[in-house]
Amino acid sequence: GAGVSQSPRYKVAKRGQDVALRCDPISGHVSLFWYQQALGQGPEFLTYFQNEAQLDKSGLPSDRFFAERPEGSVSTLKIQRTQQEDSAVYLCASSSGEVRWAQYFGPGTRLLVL
Amino acid sequence: GQQLNQSPQSMFIQEGEDVSMNCTSSSIFNTWLWYKQDPGEGPVLLIALYKAGELTSNGRLTAQFGITRKDSFLNISASIPSDVGIYFCAGRPYSGGGADGLTFGKGTHLIIQP
Repeated sequence: GAGVSQSPRYKVAKRGQDVALRCDPISGHVSLFWYQQALGQGPEFLTYFQNEAQLDKSGLPSDRFFAERPEGSVSTLKIQRTQQEDSAVYLCASSSGEVRWAQYFGPGTRLLVL
Repeated sequence: GQQLNQSPQSMFIQEGEDVSMNCTSSSIFNTWLWYKQDPGEGPVLLIALYKAGELTSNGRLTAQFGITRKDSFLNISASIPSDVGIYFCAGRPYSGGGADGLTFGKGTHLIIQP
């Protein structure tokens, strides 16, 4: 079946622009996670949804970062007033309710802020 | 926050050799996972471990959840060229507190020498 998909795959933004990154999880997966991966590092947790409820947003680096999943399927990560330090790969992962920690990742969106 | 120490940082091996890498934590983890990431792609789940002492295989890959719950290792037997990539360990702290996402190591770069 289809895996996790993300769009766009690449995004170049000028400093100060707002960006929106989309994630389509595996069908039926109730849990959805966003991670940020800096060059040469492992992914770092940003936020977690169970269905439409955002249960944990402790990893969001600032109030410029906002995520939503209004219908419990597709999710959007929005970054307002982008800064150069926001340049990274943004990964989305989903998991079923039964095996929550076996997370399946999408290909990521590579964001470059100039 | 939690940190995972993954070693070695990189490995230069010849095709056909066996590979071993490990991951340690200063605190107890109740879940360990191993992922492989190719350039430009998201991490792919290889093996998930949920019980101390658990030993699980996936083809030529074998991983174990350490009895102390503070470590895990991954072995790859008879390496082949497509094994090249970055291997990440990831886990969920036993305390359950803090962020709901996984904590990742910094990765082991596996390089196969011609």
